[in-house]
Amino acid sequence: AQTVTQSQPEMSVQEAETVTLSCTYDTSESDYYLFWYKQPPSRQMILVIRQEAYKQQNATENRFSVNFQKAAKSFSLKISDSQLGDAAMYFCAPKGGSEKLVFGKGTKLTVNP
Amino acid sequence: EPEVTQTPSHQVTQMGQEVILRCVPISNHLYFYWYRQILGQKVEFLVSFYNNEISEKSEIFDDQFSVERPDGSNFTLKIRSTKLEDSAMYFCASSYLGEGYEQYFGPGTRLTVT
Repeated sequence: AQTVTQSQPEMSVQEAETVTLSCTYDTSESDYYLFWYKQPPSRQMILVIRQEAYKQQNATENRFSVNFQKAAKSFSLKISDSQLGDAAMYFCAPKGGSEKLVFGKGTKLTVNP
Repeated sequence: EPEVTQTPSHQVTQMGQEVILRCVPISNHLYFYWYRQILGQKVEFLVSFYNNEISEKSEIFDDQFSVERPDGSNFTLKIRSTKLEDSAMYFCASSYLGEGYEQYFGPGTRLTVT
């Protein structure tokens, strides 16, 4: 079974600064995928970024990038030039060997103006 | 941009009643999912559906739950006899294929059981 640990229940960042959200996971699968989802106060789940475990290159999507360390089973999310609209809960979710996403408990990100 | 839609946005029901939550997945997607999130907790997988049958389900998805794709566009979750602990946000999601394809979520249905 997959487990996901997001060790930072809450984080805050100043607008325009950079913040990194951490995630570690455990899986017995050799081929899997990793996702970060954002959940703003509206509670809609929004896909932020996706990483294939077989790729060494870290995924990047505009201001969002990941630091994927496969051996350490670590998948952190870096948000650059933080904006007020980035304030949300962020969930890390690995997926492998089955159809389901396994979500962590989330990190609440506050962006201060 | 195509999106997953869900109705209703909020459903209030009495304990013991049946509820049906409705979803319209993205039109060319083949895999459909239901997740739930009890307030303040993490999102939990309920069931996945492919080729008109359940492909995977969690321990939460017991005999009180069922899913159906009654036509070419809708995907429904039925709870036969609701319990207080079924109160949660229910999310429908779809993906083009399984494996590593992204799952796109709907806005959710907030179910309140009184």
